[in-house]
Amino acid sequence: NAGVTQTPKFRILKIGQSMTLQCTQDMNHNYMYWYRQDPGMGLKLIYYSVGAGITDKGEVPNGYNVSRSTTEDFPLRLELAAPSQTSVYFCASSYSKPGEETQYFGPGTRLLVL
Amino acid sequence: AQSVTQLGSHVSVSEGALVLLRCNYSSSVPPYLFWYVQYPNQGLQLLLKYTSAATLVKGINGFEAEFKKSETSFHLTKPSAHMSDAAEYFCAVSESHTGGFKTIFGAGTRLFVKA
Repeated sequence: NAGVTQTPKFRILKIGQSMTLQCTQDMNHNYMYWYRQDPGMGLKLIYYSVGAGITDKGEVPNGYNVSRSTTEDFPLRLELAAPSQTSVYFCASSYSKPGEETQYFGPGTRLLVL
Repeated sequence: AQSVTQLGSHVSVSEGALVLLRCNYSSSVPPYLFWYVQYPNQGLQLLLKYTSAATLVKGINGFEAEFKKSETSFHLTKPSAHMSDAAEYFCAVSESHTGGFKTIFGAGTRLFVKA
C-alpha cells in the first residue's frame, strides 16, 4: 500500500493563478480530508468528504473547491490564488468518521503564492 | 466549542531525559484524544490514541499518555529521550456532534533533543 499520496510536493503560484492539488489513497477509506498547516496554528480543516459524490465544508473553506468522483481521489482546487493561501496542505483519509478512527496523512504539498 | 491547548510551542530536553509534552482540552464529555508526530517534511503519523478504554495509553517509540478527566489533560511522556524523537507533536481531539464530526488539532509543540 502506498497509503495517501499527494502531488505536487512544492509549487510556486502567482497571485490570481489557479491550480489543483492532487490526493489519492489506496486504502479504500470512505472519509477524506484537506487540511492546511500554518506556522504555530496547527491544522485547520478546509473540506472533507464522507464518500464518493459527497463533500462538505470544514473550518476554512473560502477560496477552495473540492470534488470526489471516486473513492480514491480527492483533489483540492484553488481558483484565484492569494498570498493568504501560502501554506502547507495535507490530505488525510480514514475508514470511518474520526471518532476513534485514525487519520492517515499524506506527505504534504508546500504552496507559495507570490 | 471544543479547543485544544498545547503548553509550550518549543520544548528542549537532553538525550536520556524525561520528555513531557502538555495537552489540555475543553470538553465536559470525554472525547477521543490523539497524539500525532510530524517529522521534518513529512505528514502526521499517529503516535497513540485514547478511546475510553484504559486511561494510560501506550504508543509507539516508547511514548505514553494519561487521560485525566478531572484535569481535562492528555499529556504525552517518554522516560528517556532519544535524538530521533526530535519532531513536532500535535495533540488532537475528536468528537461527534449533530450533523457530523469535528477534529481539532492543537498548535503543536516542537521537541528538540540535545546530545
